Amino acid sequence: AQRVTQPEKLLSVFKGAPVELKCNYSYSGSPELFWYVQYSRQRLQLLLRHISRESIKGFTADLNKGETSFHLKKPFAQEEDSAMYYCALGYKGYSTLTFGKGTMLLVSP
Amino acid sequence: GAGVSQSPRYKVAKRGQDVALRCDPISGHVSLFWYQQALGQGPEFLTYFQNEAQLDKSGLPSDRFFAERPEGSVSTLKIQRTQQEDSAVYLCASSLHAGEQYFGPGTRLTVT
Repeated sequence: AQRVTQPEKLLSVFKGAPVELKCNYSYSGSPELFWYVQYSRQRLQLLLRHISRESIKGFTADLNKGETSFHLKKPFAQEEDSAMYYCALGYKGYSTLTFGKGTMLLVSP
Repeated sequence: GAGVSQSPRYKVAKRGQDVALRCDPISGHVSLFWYQQALGQGPEFLTYFQNEAQLDKSGLPSDRFFAERPEGSVSTLKIQRTQQEDSAVYLCASSLHAGEQYFGPGTRLTVT
């Protein structure tokens, strides 16, 4: 069965510091990996997906199949990055998503 | 344009009552998903529709949960004889085929 693990419930950093939110997955097939973000009082929205290999709002994530990881990184955190971040694994061809439990990122001034 | 909408936003039900939660997907979106998010957890898949066909209901936790999308647009998630463990946020998402999923604001269900 597929599983997504986000080991940190809370990550607290200062503005300008580098950020890495960890995500590990378990899946026997070919995975599709996503990062979703939920800002305060807003709905869940897609931040980035591994297929597109984009950098969104300064965030990047690289799929490492050897380590089964898809960590989210940003070199310089901003206060507006404070939010709940969910790593998700897409499967079954139509991208049903399995989510991790989420990591709350708090960026202090 | 309008995003995914859900109603009601909040629902309080007494244990044993039936509830119906509505989802209006983005117009033209073929795929519709329901997820359940318990406090402190990530969303968990419940069921998936492609147009009006329910192709996957493997995530429905019990036979008290039922979902429909009769005309391939609006969907309703019904929970019969609600239990306290049903308390959660129920999220609906829609997408064009297997693309990016767009989430609604969710319905927070509290069973007392």
